[in-house]
Amino acid sequence: KNEVEQSPQNLTAQEGEFITINCSYSVGISALHWLQQHPGGGIVSLFMLSSGKKKHGRLIATINIQEKHSSLHITASHPRDSAVYICAVRGFGNEKLTFGTGTRLTIIP
Amino acid sequence: NAGVTQTPKFQVLKTGQSMTLQCAQDMNHEYMSWYRQDPGMGLRLIHYSVGAGITDQGEVPNGYNVSRSTTEDFPLRLLSAAPSQTSVYFCASSYRNTGELFFGEGSRLTVL
Repeated sequence: KNEVEQSPQNLTAQEGEFITINCSYSVGISALHWLQQHPGGGIVSLFMLSSGKKKHGRLIATINIQEKHSSLHITASHPRDSAVYICAVRGFGNEKLTFGTGTRLTIIP
Repeated sequence: NAGVTQTPKFQVLKTGQSMTLQCAQDMNHEYMSWYRQDPGMGLRLIHYSVGAGITDQGEVPNGYNVSRSTTEDFPLRLLSAAPSQTSVYFCASSYRNTGELFFGEGSRLTVL
């Protein structure tokens, strides 16, 4: 079973700061997902990665397959970015996802 | 498009009662799954389906049943609810098992 660890567990930052959330996993994967969950809300898919880097607006996701590590970056952070960010990985030939416990991000105006 | 629709959003049950959480998607996705989310833990897979007529167990299947008679619907049944099943439940779908995930809004279940 793949183990997924996220860091930090909690992060508080000032509006405008550059944010980095990390995800490490233990076994080779076919894909990694970054998800966002607002307080009391549903879960939204941000990125699905198997290699390299993806960018969407102020969000950037990178993955290093050799190091079994992914990062989610937020540039020019805003209070509306406050949410829990969840990393999930899928093994090879495996329908099942393994989820991290999430990083709770709070952006202060 | 409605995406993934999950009902009910909230439910309170007494121990031993049964209920069904409904999940429907209108994206013609093959892959559907049910997760539970508990404080301090990552989402855990209960059951999943890779297509109509095909279901399989996830990480925490005990106490739950599923069926997939159509591509659109994937209901989750609690036959005899227990307090340990108090949780937030999410249904998700994707085009095959390698696609982007789409989640329902979640169902908060309390078992007294």
